[in-house]
Amino acid sequence: EAQVTQNPRYLITVTGKKLTVTCSQNMNHEYMSWYRQDPGLGLRQIYYSMNVEVTDKGDVPEGYKVSRKEKRNFPLILESPSPNQTSLYFCASSSTAIGSTNEKLFFGSGTQLSVL
Amino acid sequence: GQNIDQPTEMTATEGAIVQINCTYQTSGFNGLFWYQQHAGEAPTFLSYNVLDGLEEKGRFSSFLSRSKGYSYLLLKELQMKDSASYLCAVRDTMGGSYIPTFGRGTSLIVHP
Repeated sequence: EAQVTQNPRYLITVTGKKLTVTCSQNMNHEYMSWYRQDPGLGLRQIYYSMNVEVTDKGDVPEGYKVSRKEKRNFPLILESPSPNQTSLYFCASSSTAIGSTNEKLFFGSGTQLSVL
Repeated sequence: GQNIDQPTEMTATEGAIVQINCTYQTSGFNGLFWYQQHAGEAPTFLSYNVLDGLEEKGRFSSFLSRSKGYSYLLLKELQMKDSASYLCAVRDTMGGSYIPTFGRGTSLIVHP
């Protein structure tokens, strides 16, 4: 089954304690992205990756890191979480073959993070 | 970059028709997507438009006018389960990348 697997589903942590949210896709997609979703603000992009070893900042990258060492995995790292990073996080992937214009995003099930 | 605007909230009656509008400004338009998101769940793909006109998919249709920077999602024969947030996303080809940007979403409430 084609899917994006994101873990954990829920996470409660304390300020400053490093954490990683994992994301893996089994569709051989080139493009992967992380979003955070906050009430009234919609989905905001944190980082994205167009392919292995290629990552770029989105609209709200501060306080986050990512890596893309393998095509299927795109972990989100919070080196020193702060309360303003409490949010619902989504990983997504899609194909971006040049000339392809009908590539929808597949989303993971989300991670609700609370930083105390 | 893009500026995407859609209403924050709409209400409608079960069995009725509702139209959710989305306007956008972009320098390198390369497609518009609609996604549905139920509370606490991941967004799921509904429709895609890259050329002007109407795309119909069962009870849902999506329309695009590139010259006007305008799209709408039309939901017919509304059901209670259609209560959800509807996200408009525009893909831009700035810098040669295909990066979709989301609007803030329209929360649709369907009542009996």
